[in-house]
Amino acid sequence: DADVTQTPRNRITKTGKRIMLECSQTKGHDRMYWYRQDPGLGLRLIYYSFDVKDINKGEISDGYSVSRQAQAKFSLSLESAIPNQTALYFCATGVEVTDTQYFGPGTRLTVL
Amino acid sequence: TQLLEQSPQFLSIQEGENLTVYCNSSSVFSSLQWYRQEPGEGPVLLVTVVTGGEVKKLKRLTFQFGDARKDSSLHITAAQPGDTGLYLCAGDRDDKIIFGKGTRLHILP
Repeated sequence: DADVTQTPRNRITKTGKRIMLECSQTKGHDRMYWYRQDPGLGLRLIYYSFDVKDINKGEISDGYSVSRQAQAKFSLSLESAIPNQTALYFCATGVEVTDTQYFGPGTRLTVL
Repeated sequence: TQLLEQSPQFLSIQEGENLTVYCNSSSVFSSLQWYRQEPGEGPVLLVTVVTGGEVKKLKRLTFQFGDARKDSSLHITAAQPGDTGLYLCAGDRDDKIIFGKGTRLHILP
C-alpha cells in the first residue's frame, strides 16, 4: 500500500464550486505539505504544517485553505474554484526539511 | 524571481551518451535535493547534498554540490531510456523546500 495517498486522483469541476482534496499518510511524519505543479512553473508550495496545531502559508496560499485533522491527514480546500486553479496538486510528508520529502501520486484538478 | 534556475529546460539525447544538467542560484542553501518525476507520479528523491564540494554517486548518476553551496550539477553517464523523466532540484531555505522548474530529459533508444 502507498505511504502517501491522495483522493480524488482526478476531478473536473465548475467555476465557483467548493472542492476538497484529501491527503493521508501512514509514514508517521509530523510535517505535511501541499504543492501545485503547472507546466513551466514547477512545484509551488501552497500550505504546510509541522504538526497538528501548526498551519503555515506557502508561496501561493491565496484562494486556498487547509485543515490538519490529525497527524496523518491534511486536506486542501478551494472555497470557490476558478479556472486558473487548474493544475496538478501534490501532497508530501517529511520529518525534517533536509530529509526526504515523500510525495503522493497527485490529484489532477480541472476547473471549467 | 526564480531562486533556483535549472538548465537546460529540455534535453533529448541518444542512449549511451553522457549529459550534465545544472541547478544554479545566487543564494546559499543549507542543502540541495534532486528528485526525478515520471509522468502520472509524484517526485521521488534521488539524493541530498549538504556539504559544499560534496560529490555523491548513485550508479550512473553523479551529483555535486558547489563549494559555495549555491549550485549543484547532475551528471549521467551512458544514459538509458529508463533515465527519461523530469529532474527537479530543491533547496532548503527558511525551513521550507523550494523547487526549481526542472529539466525534462528524454533518452532516445
